[in-house]
Amino acid sequence: NAGVTQTPKFRILKIGQSMTLQCAQDMNHNYMYWYRQDPGMGLKLIYYSVGAGITDKGEVPNGYNVSRSTTEDFPLRLELAAPSQTSVYFCASSSSYNEQFFGPGTRLTVL
Amino acid sequence: AQSVAQPEDQVNVAEGNPLTVKCTYSVSGNPYLFWYVQYPNRGLQFLLKYITGDNLVKGSYGFEAEFNKSQTSFHLKKPSALVSDSALYFCALGTGGFKTIFGAGTRLFVKA
Repeated sequence: NAGVTQTPKFRILKIGQSMTLQCAQDMNHNYMYWYRQDPGMGLKLIYYSVGAGITDKGEVPNGYNVSRSTTEDFPLRLELAAPSQTSVYFCASSSSYNEQFFGPGTRLTVL
Repeated sequence: AQSVAQPEDQVNVAEGNPLTVKCTYSVSGNPYLFWYVQYPNRGLQFLLKYITGDNLVKGSYGFEAEFNKSQTSFHLKKPSALVSDSALYFCALGTGGFKTIFGAGTRLFVKA
């Protein structure tokens, strides 16, 4: 079991560029999540999904989009990157009422 | 409103001494409570959870947590701290069956 995998590990973007952060899990979890963690801060939920084809906004969705075409994959799209999106991004998955499993994170810098 | 709070930004303890990291919560209904640990440059790792049953929950790496309904608390404890326990600890409250509210985190520093 690889658990939750994320690519890339690091990325530097210029203002206005776009990119997709990849996330995959092999635990057959229905629920998947995207969080951002700013320096010295806790986690903020960006988007979540309760199953293939179903996604919904979290606490801080502006500037991001997601899709969930399969149970395994949950990519996060950044359109028109801004310095405020500099952060560490974590993908996680879970089954209902249970603990979340986190990926190793993607460290994104927007200059 | 549902919320979780970690009142201490940092906890300092000497190696071998007991440690406590505090967490309080607010929820209507029964809480689902979790503790996670984050080591530098890593994702969060699950330590333990309370859903129902015994108020004392045992988890990974010798950690345990005590659920106290009257005080709405879920403090993380360990009888004897190790230097390797130094990390960032998050308390979390499960809501709606799948969404989770995370606390701001408490940095634990264990001195040799």
